[in-house]
Amino acid sequence: DIQMTQSPSSLSASVGDRVTITCRASQGINNYLNWYQQKPGKAPKLLIYAASNLQSGVPSRFSGSGSGTDFTLTISSLQPEDFATYYCQQTYSIPRTFGQGTKVEIK
Amino acid sequence: EVQLVESGGGLVQPGGSLRLSCAASGFIFSTYWMNWVRRAPGKGLEWVANIKQDGSEKYYVDSVKGRFTISRDNAKNSLYLQMNSLRVEDTAVYYCARDTGYSSGWYGNWFDPWGQGTLVTVSS
Repeated sequence: DIQMTQSPSSLSASVGDRVTITCRASQGINNYLNWYQQKPGKAPKLLIYAASNLQSGVPSRFSGSGSGTDFTLTISSLQPEDFATYYCQQTYSIPRTFGQGTKVEIK
Repeated sequence: EVQLVESGGGLVQPGGSLRLSCAASGFIFSTYWMNWVRRAPGKGLEWVANIKQDGSEKYYVDSVKGRFTISRDNAKNSLYLQMNSLRVEDTAVYYCARDTGYSSGWYGNWFDPWGQGTLVTVSS
């Protein structure tokens, strides 16, 4: 199975901060890497697909990059509604594994 | 509007069974791979299973193989998860999610949309 490791596991940030979350795959996955946002009691929401493609309706302050084994999700200017848990996911192979999540909290 | 609505969750004793359903609307259900994903309390997301458009291919995470069965009824626009021999560690919110991508296969896809989830609690 491909292991997905996110860092950090949690972070505290202020509104307006630039936030970067990294995701590393245990083997190469091309660009088959997706990012999701989940708020308490809600379903996960797709933010970025295929490493760098912004899902329709998602604010442009979110961006993704990377290929192979190392990937990054960046929030250019953190907004109050962005406080949530973020997950990366690989769809290169089955089982389709997720990272352990990164919880973004208010500083 | 594209929508997925899960149902069937509840409290069940260890060793028991439960069948989850996911009703799809707003898209041509029969043309998409579909998935079940779960999130246990205090833990992250875990992919559980997926099924091909015509039901001819199914894949499972190792921890549920031989206990869970994914199925679909394209005439009813519905996805199912039959869960047998349930364990305490199967306690989670279960989500159904549509596979979306550039091709009709599962490779390289992403999950969108997701249902709101249904809670399964396995406890004595």
